[in-house]
Amino acid sequence: AQSVAQPEDQVNVAEGNPLTVKCTYSVSGNPYLFWYVQYPNRGLQFLLKYITGDNLVKGSYGFEAEFNKSQTSFHLKKPSALVSDSALYFCAVRGGFKTIFGAGTRLFVKA
Amino acid sequence: DVKVTQSSRYLVKRTGEKVFLECVQDMDHENMFWYRQDPGLGLRLIYFSYDVKMKEKGDIPEGYSVSREKKERFSLILESASTNQTSMYLCASTSGEAKNIQYFGAGTRLSVL
Repeated sequence: AQSVAQPEDQVNVAEGNPLTVKCTYSVSGNPYLFWYVQYPNRGLQFLLKYITGDNLVKGSYGFEAEFNKSQTSFHLKKPSALVSDSALYFCAVRGGFKTIFGAGTRLFVKA
Repeated sequence: DVKVTQSSRYLVKRTGEKVFLECVQDMDHENMFWYRQDPGLGLRLIYFSYDVKMKEKGDIPEGYSVSREKKERFSLILESASTNQTSMYLCASTSGEAKNIQYFGAGTRLSVL
């Protein structure tokens, strides 16, 4: 069965510092991995995805994610956090029709 | 610009009422989904549809039904609302391939009193 784990409920980082939001997954076959972001009172917005190819994937708003097959991880990263990055982040794995979402990690960026 | 529109942002209903949540997408997507979002639980799939008049149960279908009479519209129905159905409901759509992203509506926050 497919599953996604986001081990941190919340991540706190100072503006200008690098940030990492962690995600591990379990899937049979090749994974299709996604990151989505949710701002207050909004739906989810797509950030980036890994399908195949380079392990480092670049996405919207300066975010990137590193696919690590041996560790079954897909951590979200950004070199320099902004206060406006504060939001709820979801990791997801897709197989067939269904997408499995993690529980979400709330990111707080302090000025 | 792609768009998924949910008919209501906020709804307040009474226990036992029949509730309709509407979702419309303008991208000609085959697949549409209804999720509920609760703190600490992430998104849980209620129902999905891969074609007109086709529907499949997700992980938590109990107490819900759906209707898809037209490709662009996917409705979620709470037959008899209960307080444990108070939640944020999100609609999403995507085209056929698994590698494609999902587009989400803004959500409907439903309170059942």
